[in-house]
Amino acid sequence: GAVVSQHPSRVICKSGTSVKIECRSLDFQATTMFWYRQFPKQSLMLMATSNEGSKATYEQGVEKDKFLINHASLTLSTLTVTSAHPEDSSFYICSARAKGTHYGYTFGSGTRLTVV
Amino acid sequence: GQQLNQSPQSMFIQEGEDVSMNCTSSSIFNTWLWYKQDPGEGPVLLIALYKAGELTSNGRLTAQFGITRKDSFLNISASIPSDVGIYFCAGATEISGNTGKLIFGQGTTLQVKP
Repeated sequence: GAVVSQHPSRVICKSGTSVKIECRSLDFQATTMFWYRQFPKQSLMLMATSNEGSKATYEQGVEKDKFLINHASLTLSTLTVTSAHPEDSSFYICSARAKGTHYGYTFGSGTRLTVV
Repeated sequence: GQQLNQSPQSMFIQEGEDVSMNCTSSSIFNTWLWYKQDPGEGPVLLIALYKAGELTSNGRLTAQFGITRKDSFLNISASIPSDVGIYFCAGATEISGNTGKLIFGQGTTLQVKP
């Protein structure tokens, strides 16, 4: 149980375009989802926390207008990188957790974004 | 802010050897998690710890939640080549029953020589 599916696994886009990444909890209801960014050979850095039906809480230094997060249902959260630039190229990973459980935090398989 | 110090940063060991890595924090966590990440993949949960002093095993892996709630270690016994990867510790603090955010250590890169 506790499977999180993330799509796409890889995406290449042109500078100035927007890219949407989906994160789905397949066998549980995720009341909270987290979005991380990971640069090569570095740790995971939390970008934002989203609770179903409410606005996401962004970490300091993360532009909320650039990284749009939508958590419209208990099984789906999306991250949209707007007006992408080469410096946005990174590995983006989501994780999900059901409220009141001790399942731990389950992670998606990540999305490699390359902006050219 | 909260920070986790994970050590060692990297390890290169012989197959069959035991491995130990640890994380320390300047603040208290009430959940400690250990993950393994393969290249190009998301982290996979290895062991979750929820009580101070808790010692939990998962096959050849053993992890403990420190009594002070500011540290945790992970041991891998009799390492095999497929243990290669990056291991992360992560801590979380529950706030009023709501899910606290995970803070990650810097990671330990493990290489195993057959």
